[in-house]
Amino acid sequence: EAGVAQSPRYKIIEKRQSVAFWCNPISGHATLYWYQQILGQGPKLLIQFQNNGVVDDSQLPKDRFSAERLKGVDSTLKIQPAKLEDSAVYLCASSSVLASEGQYFGPGTRLTVT
Amino acid sequence: AQKVTQAQTEISVVEKEDVTLDCVYETRDTTYYLFWYKQPPSGELVFLIRRNSFDEQNEISGRYSWNFQKSTSSFNFTITASQVVDSAVYFCALRRYGQNFVFGPGTRLSVLP
Repeated sequence: EAGVAQSPRYKIIEKRQSVAFWCNPISGHATLYWYQQILGQGPKLLIQFQNNGVVDDSQLPKDRFSAERLKGVDSTLKIQPAKLEDSAVYLCASSSVLASEGQYFGPGTRLTVT
Repeated sequence: AQKVTQAQTEISVVEKEDVTLDCVYETRDTTYYLFWYKQPPSGELVFLIRRNSFDEQNEISGRYSWNFQKSTSSFNFTITASQVVDSAVYFCALRRYGQNFVFGPGTRLSVLP
């Protein structure tokens, strides 16, 4: 079974530029998550989708971050404009709708904002 | 509110030693799930185990074992006869029924040859 795919793996941009990350979850997983992981910290949930609807985006900085999952499969996370403090690893994960199931993570995108 | 605490920021052991990683959680719910994840230097989080709140049986998988104690709200993880490949950051996480995951800050384990 293929895992969660993410691209790009690395991205370096200047502050005030925009960037987009892509995620393809495990086939059949209805729930998709985007996390931000700053160096030395645990993952912080940015947004959770179930199918193509948003379940939780309470920690998403909506003035600069946006995410979509139009067909209930792939998802894109965008930052516009980027700030220095956005430097982090952005992790995508997916799971089934069952609360008992764990999440499966992609390799992440390491973003450096200079 | 939910919270996961991993008091050990970093642990170093010598290969073949046993090591226990602590996890303490807070929740008011009676139904919840606990997880451990491993994040090796490559960066990808790897799912290790899940446990539901109604199952307090300890679990052993090879060199890994988990001790869940509801009375102390703890879900500790022990690696027996540690190996260099066990070096990673380990995260404990809590999920309430129907809700998203809350991760602890992680414990960095270094296993020295």
